[in-house]
Amino acid sequence: AQRVTQPEKLLSVFKGAPVELKCNYSYSGSPELFWYVQYSRQRLQLLLRHISRESIKGFTADLNKGETSFHLKKPFAQEEDSAMYYCALTGGGNKLTFGTGTQLKVEL
Amino acid sequence: NAGVTQTPKFQVLKTGQSMTLQCAQDMNHEYMSWYRQDPGMGLRLIHYSVGAGITDQGEVPNGYNVSRSTTEDFPLRLLSAAPSQTSVYFCASSRTSGSDEQFFGPGTRLTVL
Repeated sequence: AQRVTQPEKLLSVFKGAPVELKCNYSYSGSPELFWYVQYSRQRLQLLLRHISRESIKGFTADLNKGETSFHLKKPFAQEEDSAMYYCALTGGGNKLTFGTGTQLKVEL
Repeated sequence: NAGVTQTPKFQVLKTGQSMTLQCAQDMNHEYMSWYRQDPGMGLRLIHYSVGAGITDQGEVPNGYNVSRSTTEDFPLRLLSAAPSQTSVYFCASSRTSGSDEQFFGPGTRLTVL
């Protein structure tokens, strides 16, 4: 079975501070990992995926197979980063499993 | 393009009633799926489809039925609503599979009394 764990329900940081949203996964094969984001009053949307190795809106995420983690990081938080963030995993098949989400609040 | 559309936006049902949540996409996507979002539980996959005529169960399929007669539409049916089905329901579509970027609908907020 595949499982995604996001240990923090709420993460509050000050503007300009570094951000790290934690994501750990359980999957026996080679996973594909994603971060989705839901801004207030907007639809859930893809932020980034590990295979593309991109930096989107200043966010990066590195897949660490040894620690089975895919933490989302940004060096300097902005007010517009406040949103709900979901980590998600698929085993290359059709079932996409989401974590429980972390609400990021960036305070001025 | 309208993207993924869902109707209705809000619905209140009594226990035992049945209803259908509608989902449509105009992007010619093969893969469509339904999730429910509950506080503290994230999004859980109910059913998904990899193309017209093909559906399969997700993590929490009990109490729900789906069909996929066309590429565009993927309705979700509640056979006999229960209070435990009170939730926000999201439909999503993608090009071919769960590995592709998912495009989500705006959601349907369902309350079962």
